[in-house]
Amino acid sequence: KQEVTQIPAALSVPEGENLVLNCSFTDSAIYNLQWFRQDPGKGLTSLLLIQSSQREQTSGRLNASLDKSSGRSTLYIAASQPGDSATYLCAVRPGQAGTALIFGKGTTLSVSS
Amino acid sequence: KAGVTQTPRYLIKTRGQQVTLSCSPISGHRSVSWYQQTPGQGLQFLFEYFSETQRNKGNFPGRFSGRQFSNSRSEMNVSTLELGDSALYLCASRATGNTEAFFGQGTRLTVV
Repeated sequence: KQEVTQIPAALSVPEGENLVLNCSFTDSAIYNLQWFRQDPGKGLTSLLLIQSSQREQTSGRLNASLDKSSGRSTLYIAASQPGDSATYLCAVRPGQAGTALIFGKGTTLSVSS
Repeated sequence: KAGVTQTPRYLIKTRGQQVTLSCSPISGHRSVSWYQQTPGQGLQFLFEYFSETQRNKGNFPGRFSGRQFSNSRSEMNVSTLELGDSALYLCASRATGNTEAFFGQGTRLTVV
């Protein structure tokens, strides 16, 4: 059974710091991995999608990497800003047809000015 | 291009009642999935519909049901509401294949 873990559960950093959020999954047979952002009480905003054949994806100050063989992904946020404060969720789509996203519990990030 | 639209945004219901939530996917997306989010359990998959057919179902009781219409809009229904059904219900849409999932703003259901 696929399980997704995100460590740490919470993180506080000063503005301007570069940071890394971690995501690990137990079964390397995945189609893709997706990173989301969630603001309190709101829906999920898709940040990056990495297909299983890819090693990384970049969007602006965000860079996500995928090491399928070790079951790990990282989300790198450069030059953090207070507006980056949110919960970041990692989700994998397992490699069997017709399967749903499996989510980690998220990392709640707080960036202070 | 409009995003995923969920209605209503907030609902308060009494135990034992039933509720229907609605989701309009991004135009052209034929897959609609529903998830329940609670502080204790996180995000859990309810079901997925594709071209009006339920393609996958999570581990929830039969009180939770759904359907999809020919225009890809989807509804989920929860009957005989329990206090534990209080949660944020999220809908996601995607195009065919293993493509990016886009979520709506969710419906916050409170059962009292």
